[in-house]
Formats: sequence, structure tokens, C-alpha cells
Amino acid sequence: QLQLQESGPGLVKPSETLSLTCTVSSGSISSSSYYWGWIRQPPGKGLEWIGSIFHSGNTYYNPSLKSRVTISVDTSKNQFSLKLSSVTAADTAVYYCARHVVASDAFDIWGQGTMVTVSS
Amino acid sequence: QSALTQPASVSGSPGQSITISCTGTSSDVGSYNLVSWYQHHPGKAPNLMIYEGTKRPSGVSNRFSGSKSGSTASLTISGLQAEDEADYYCCSYAGSSTWVFGGGTKLTVL
Repeated sequence: QLQLQESGPGLVKPSETLSLTCTVSSGSISSSSYYWGWIRQPPGKGLEWIGSIFHSGNTYYNPSLKSRVTISVDTSKNQFSLKLSSVTAADTAVYYCARHVVASDAFDIWGQGTMVTVSS
Repeated sequence: QSALTQPASVSGSPGQSITISCTGTSSDVGSYNLVSWYQHHPGKAPNLMIYEGTKRPSGVSNRFSGSKSGSTASLTISGLQAEDEADYYCCSYAGSSTWVFGGGTKLTVL
């Protein structure tokens, strides 16, 4: 069963860059059937799609975050990564990585999530 | 791109049926049959319950069903069980390779 696991710092200072990595296990990130996405949930709020990437490197971003987001993929390590620059307290959230099915546009497998707090 | 609109909360007794609505616009829900629904127990990973508006992934109970009318999608849970108590989110393709989630609905089983 394919699994995803987020990793990265749990605390980031304001104005700095948040960096997270998602490791895909028991499956290949190079499949043409899937994108790989990042979604976040601020405390007490709903889910927000951040962006998705195809194994070729094609990226798709939430327009409201596009100027600060970079998603990249490393097929040799079966990983994809998120960078969010110039963070503020509003970026405090649980960050999830997920497999994003091309045919159905659904997120069918999710990581457990990692809490990232923006604070000095 | 605005979040899809869901009721903040719904409730029902065991055995009853409930419906959660998800209202979008002609740019997202109204234009595509690409609405998905997720069950989220706090502290756990969200779980896909419905995709393409009406389809259930393997392993999801047939008590869960989806539908759409115009720009509003709906998730119906029949025969409510205590384990169904969770947060539920809808998500829709919104064109131009973007996706948008709803604000979430807390389901309480009384």
C-alpha cells in the first residue's frame, strides 16, 4: 500500500521560508496517473489546496499563494517538496501531502500531516 | 478563487440520514463533474469518500452517496453510525489546473 510521509521543521520564523518534503514509499512517484499535492489546514479552519506537481516537473499552484510557493520533485529519491517564502503567522497550519489522481481530480492517499508553527 | 460553501455543522441520530451541501459557482462545481468528498477525523489523515461527484472508492461503505444539482454538490450519509462523526470537506476542480476546497462541515451523531 502506497504511503506518504511529510518531514521538515515544526517551527519557522516570520519572514523566513517554510520547507517540507514528502517521501513516497511502496510506489513510484513517476507514474503518469498521478499528480502529487500539498494541502494545509490552519488551526480551526478548513482545508486549502496549495499546489500540485507532475513527475515531469509541471506545477500547478493556488493563485492566492502562487507568488510565494515553489513545489519541486526528485524522482530519484521518490520525493516531492514544498517551499513557502515570506511566511507569517497566517501560514501556521497542519501541512499534508497527498496523491492527486489525474483522471478523477481526487486526492486519494494522504500523509498523516505535519504541524508547522510560524513564530519568533 | 473562493472556498466552496458548506454548512458549519449538521447532526443526526444513529440510523437516520443526513445531507451535507457544497455550493460553488459556474466556474467550479457547476462546470465540472469533478467534486470529491473527504472524511476527516481530527488528528488523522483525511479519507476520500466520493470522487467524480457520485463514485465511491473501493472499501467505502455504500451508506455514503454523492449527487449534484447545478452548482451545488451534496453528500448523503444514510444509516448514521457513531463512527461517522467527523469533519467532511468537499473539493472541486475550478478550471485552469486549480482546485478548491469547501470550508468543512462538522457532523455530530447525537
